[in-house]
Amino acid sequence: DTGVSQDPRHKITKRGQNVTFRCDPISEHNRLYWYRQTLGQGPEFLTYFQNEAQLEKSRLLSDRFSAERPKGSFSTLEIQRTEQGDSAMYLCASSPDRGRGTGELFFGEGSRLTVL
Amino acid sequence: GESVGLHLPTLSVQEGDNSIINCAYSNSASDYFIWYKQESGKGPQFIIDIRSNMDKRQGQRVTVLLNKTVKHLSLQIAATQPGDSAVYFCAETISGGYNKLIFGAGTRLAVHP
Repeated sequence: DTGVSQDPRHKITKRGQNVTFRCDPISEHNRLYWYRQTLGQGPEFLTYFQNEAQLEKSRLLSDRFSAERPKGSFSTLEIQRTEQGDSAMYLCASSPDRGRGTGELFFGEGSRLTVL
Repeated sequence: GESVGLHLPTLSVQEGDNSIINCAYSNSASDYFIWYKQESGKGPQFIIDIRSNMDKRQGQRVTVLLNKTVKHLSLQIAATQPGDSAVYFCAETISGGYNKLIFGAGTRLAVHP
């Protein structure tokens, strides 16, 4: 399967711990996105990478959140000092650089975080 | 703030019937709209898109209608099948050079035999 893969699929952690999620996009896609989804809601944009450059960060991405894409391939999303409000599904998506107005993002199956 | 929303949180239909899922948007500057389907435990999957210079676009068993006058978007699914059961999201793009999608809250479609 050459789709977007995310790891781990599930993570349970205690409040205050740090967690890191990894995303491997479709290999030829140079755009990578992180979204967060809580139960019953649509995905919320967190951040966007064009190759290795992080070009936009949502206000939802507090100082405890950091995302990287060091070589323009896989990406990591780290949450420091987790809080119960961080419990959510973290979705990664990728897309090719076809310019504006081609909205097909290819999503992974997500990493579900539960903070106890 | 400006957002994309949905009229009905849950829609129940009989297998074989047509389904219509509605969505309202408030950002008049939005120029591109997309419908995604999300099955339980999976990420959203692209269904169909439409640009603001179009009123209607058809795919395989799906049709998207856009009414810019009232800022309304709908997804029609013909001959609904059990495999169509999922949560459906509409999303819009805001101005920018990439696909920063703003998603609505979703409508759950339940198809009964």
